[in-house]
Amino acid sequence: DIVMTQTPLSSPVTLGQPASISCRSSQSLVHSDGNTYLSWLQQRPGQPPRLLIYKISNRFSGVPDRFSGSGAGTDFTLKISRVEAEDVGVYYCMQATQFPLTFGGGTKVEIK
Amino acid sequence: QVQLVQSGAEVKKPGASVKVSCKASGYTFTGYYMHWVRQAPGQGLEWMGWINPNSGGTNYAQKFQGWVTMTRDTSISTAYMELSRLRSDDTAVYYCATTHGYWGQGTLVTVSS
Repeated sequence: DIVMTQTPLSSPVTLGQPASISCRSSQSLVHSDGNTYLSWLQQRPGQPPRLLIYKISNRFSGVPDRFSGSGAGTDFTLKISRVEAEDVGVYYCMQATQFPLTFGGGTKVEIK
Repeated sequence: QVQLVQSGAEVKKPGASVKVSCKASGYTFTGYYMHWVRQAPGQGLEWMGWINPNSGGTNYAQKFQGWVTMTRDTSISTAYMELSRLRSDDTAVYYCATTHGYWGQGTLVTVSS
């Protein structure tokens, strides 16, 4: 199974300041079809997960443009350009290149 | 708009089975695979498997093979996940999610004697 490792575990951020989360996979996430199936999910407290970013850098419908994804191969990053109060929650990276689908352990974003 | 509405919370005794439903609307049900993911209290996300609503074909995570069954009823755009021989560590919120990015609200399954 592909292991997804996220850092940091927790990210205290000042409102209006940027935040960055890293995700590393134990093997390349480039699929044989040429796509890289790396997604980012947001889970606000008491809510189900919500898709933010798919295939490294594509924002899902309705996701604010302060969220951006980047990376390639085994190293990926989610950036929030200016953190807002509604961004508090746990963020997960997820790979769907190879079965079983696997998730990172999560990064908690909280306001300082 | 796309909606996945799951069945309500369940309390089961160890050794019992539970069947969770996920009713889809707002898109073509047979057009996207349906995944099932669970989350134990205070823990991360664990993928259980998927079902192809068009063919009924399934792919289960190795851990769940032999004790999870995913089915669907295309006439009512509903997917089901049944977990048998429940243990206390199966206590979790179970989510359905489509391959095009939509998640259900979750179903809490509590296993307790």
